[in-house]
Amino acid sequence: AQTVTQSQPEMSVQEAETVTLSCTYDTSESDYYLFWYKQPPSRQMILVIRQEAYKQQNATENRFSVNFQKAAKSFSLKISDSQLGDAAMYFCAYRSGGSGNTPLVFGKGTRLSVIA
Amino acid sequence: DTAVSQTPKYLVTQMGNDKSIKCEQNLGHDTMYWYKQDSKKFLKIMFSYNNKELIINETVPNRFSPKSPDKAHLNLHINSLELGDSAVYFCASSQTRTGGYEQYFGPGTRLTVT
Repeated sequence: AQTVTQSQPEMSVQEAETVTLSCTYDTSESDYYLFWYKQPPSRQMILVIRQEAYKQQNATENRFSVNFQKAAKSFSLKISDSQLGDAAMYFCAYRSGGSGNTPLVFGKGTRLSVIA
Repeated sequence: DTAVSQTPKYLVTQMGNDKSIKCEQNLGHDTMYWYKQDSKKFLKIMFSYNNKELIINETVPNRFSPKSPDKAHLNLHINSLELGDSAVYFCASSQTRTGGYEQYFGPGTRLTVT
């Protein structure tokens, strides 16, 4: 079974600075997808960014980018120019490829605080 | 227009009661899921349905019974509620196709069993 590990239960960053959240995963599959979800206090799950395992290029979405190291099974999230609205729980998630209706396997989350 | 909606958003009930949570998606997706988020924020899959058919049933007590009347709806019925059932329950949906297209989540239902 696949597992996802987020080793940082809590992180903090100064407003306008950069922070990196770590995620490692364990799988024997070659076809899979990785995601970062954000959960603010409203508890809504919001997709931040996704990465296809077959793509070598790291995904970016505005201030959010990932460092995908397939051989090391590492998938970290970098948030640049941090804003107060970035404060939330961040979950790394894994999804098997294939049919496209496989469930997400989540890490335990990292709580990010942004200091003004 | 809400993509994935759940009702109710909050549910407080006593041990031993039976309750239901409803989920509807208007995205035209063919797969729907129930996830449970426990008090430590850990999210785990409970069930998934594809075209109204159950395809994933994790080790969930049989007091939990999902029902999908059509592709757009997935309800969760819980019998004989226990204190340990207190959690946030998320419904999600996605479209079956090759590719890691994301799942869209509902707002969650916070269930409190007293």
